[in-house]
Amino acid sequence: NAGVMQNPRHLVRRRGQEARLRCSPMKGHSHVYWYRQLPEEGLKFMVYLQKENIIDESGMPKERFSAEFPKEGPSILRIQQVVRGDSAAYFCASSGQKYQETQYFGPGTRLLVL
Amino acid sequence: GENVEQHPSTLSVQEGDSAVIKCTYSDSASNYFPWYKQELGKGPQLIIDIRSNVGEKKDQRIAVTLNKTAKHFSLHITETQPEDSAVYFCAASGSSNTGKLIFGQGTTLQVKP
Repeated sequence: NAGVMQNPRHLVRRRGQEARLRCSPMKGHSHVYWYRQLPEEGLKFMVYLQKENIIDESGMPKERFSAEFPKEGPSILRIQQVVRGDSAAYFCASSGQKYQETQYFGPGTRLLVL
Repeated sequence: GENVEQHPSTLSVQEGDSAVIKCTYSDSASNYFPWYKQELGKGPQLIIDIRSNVGEKKDQRIAVTLNKTAKHFSLHITETQPEDSAVYFCAASGSSNTGKLIFGQGTTLQVKP
């Protein structure tokens, strides 16, 4: 049973470019969460999605950031016009049921903005 | 707002000793408290969790205790081994009940052989 998969593992972008981060949840899981980890800090919640629905985006910056989880395919976290402050590790987690609340994390995507 | 405080930020112990990490949460509605271990360059790995209807849970060398009145919960690792060296994060479920987790700042545990 494959775990949560994320790609790419490392991504380098120049300021102003777009970054697309992908997350495939564990088999059978339909709930996806995105977290951001700045260097030497804990994880900060960004967004929670179910298939085709955004349930909670209270942690998403108001501009440049968006997320989706289509009916088919992986969840995508999109960052437009990246700035140096976006450099961080972005982790995706999945769970089987909301109220189960056990979240399993992927290996993360490390974004570096030059 | 929702907040989780974690202490200490760094912890160094001798192999075989015990390690204790403590967390305090702010939202009395939180009812789920997982602990994650993160090794360098990897994603967080769930090691143990506890729900608010339980005061203590144990899994081999790892135990977690929860005091809902004081809004404290702690991780206890006994007979530490060098491979226990990592960053440990506590978390509490957010009050919105969407499954969102609020994380502590992390504790870097070093186990000296």
